[in-house]
Amino acid sequence: EAGVAQSPRYKIIEKRQSVAFWCNPISGHATLYWYQQILGQGPKLLIQFQNNGVVDDSQLPKDRFSAERLKGVDSTLKIQPAKLEDSAVYLCASSGIRTGEETQYFGPGTRLLVL
Amino acid sequence: KNQVEQSPQSLIILEGKNCTLQCNYTVSPFSNLRWYKQDTGRGPVSLTIMTFSENTKSNGRYTATLDADTKQSSLHITASQLSDSASYICVVSAFYGQNFVFGPGTRLSVLP
Repeated sequence: EAGVAQSPRYKIIEKRQSVAFWCNPISGHATLYWYQQILGQGPKLLIQFQNNGVVDDSQLPKDRFSAERLKGVDSTLKIQPAKLEDSAVYLCASSGIRTGEETQYFGPGTRLLVL
Repeated sequence: KNQVEQSPQSLIILEGKNCTLQCNYTVSPFSNLRWYKQDTGRGPVSLTIMTFSENTKSNGRYTATLDADTKQSSLHITASQLSDSASYICVVSAFYGQNFVFGPGTRLSVLP
């Protein structure tokens, strides 16, 4: 079974530039998550999709961050414009039917450095 | 406020020794508690998941315990190996599996 794919693996940009990350979840997984993990901290949920609908985006800085999951499969996360404090690893995860006990499978993450 | 705390922040042990990592939470209503292992440069990988009615669960050399009354969990690693060097993250779910609250992790280093 293929895992969660993310690209790019690394990205370096200057502040005020835009950046986009892509995630391809495990085939058949209805739920997709985007997390931000700052160095030395645990992941923080940014947005959760159930198929192509948003379940939770309460911690997404909507003035600069946006995400979409067209057709309920792949997802993209965009930052525009980027700030220095956005430097972090952006993790995508997916899980199956939302029973509450399903396992989340994480991708390798995209490491973003904002200069 | 829903929070998950972990201790110690970091730990160094010698190969072959046992260790125990702690997790305290104030998440309510409680749904389940998970332990993840995160190798450097990789995404977290699930080790165990426990619901309210479970007080222990094992996965190989990893054994997790849960005391729902005191809102504490521990992860015990037996006969540590160099490959156990990683961050171990405690995650508590509220509201029927939604609202995952992540702890900051414990950084474990196993030395030869």
